[in-house]
Amino acid sequence: DAKTTQPPSMDCAEGRAANLPCNHSTISGNEYVYWYRQIHSQGPQYIIHGLKNNETNEMASLIITEDRKSSTLILPHATLRDTAVYYCIVRVENDMRFGAGTRLTVKP
Amino acid sequence: DGGITQSPKYLFRKEGQNVTLSCEQNLNHDAMYWYRQDPGQGLRLIYYSQIVNDFQKGDIAEGYSVSREKKESFPLTVTSAQKNPTAFYLCASSIIDRGTDTQYFGPGTRLTVL
Repeated sequence: DAKTTQPPSMDCAEGRAANLPCNHSTISGNEYVYWYRQIHSQGPQYIIHGLKNNETNEMASLIITEDRKSSTLILPHATLRDTAVYYCIVRVENDMRFGAGTRLTVKP
Repeated sequence: DGGITQSPKYLFRKEGQNVTLSCEQNLNHDAMYWYRQDPGQGLRLIYYSQIVNDFQKGDIAEGYSVSREKKESFPLTVTSAQKNPTAFYLCASSIIDRGTDTQYFGPGTRLTVL
């Protein structure tokens, strides 16, 4: 059972910011939040992860609420190549518990 | 060219045959993992290994076997005991680092059993 809840699908206009929400209300204090994405028929690609603080890298930003019960992945300027399934994961021991994710479609 | 390689990309087998999927990494990662993905679903853990000559079962290990004779290699055998082997198989590897062991995935092998 995944410990996260994500909307099944979202659309975003090309060039706009894509904000993907994730709820993880049962997260423990030492569990990290990870984000991956998977383009059709490829292996998942690591995007970003965080514990308490907001994080930013060359791909995206991760905003974690103060109570850590939810987070948002932000793709600042979405392109057509960002169309993929995005997985929010709370790491459980040695297992990345991938749920069904959010299918993001970036439209021209 | 560093990374994780899986071969072949597509594999077809007849029902009742064992088949071995290859996974190699040159990232010097300690841990390696095998996942299965069915259409429209997330990933499910089959086996993982944190050190050479040792491995642990995941959630769906029945019908599968693995070996870890070298740090770089973690082959998965899908045996005839696996009732529904047709799926997309993904291998991953990671450094073991106190709770932040980010897993990096290979391109996957799509197995079809006819």
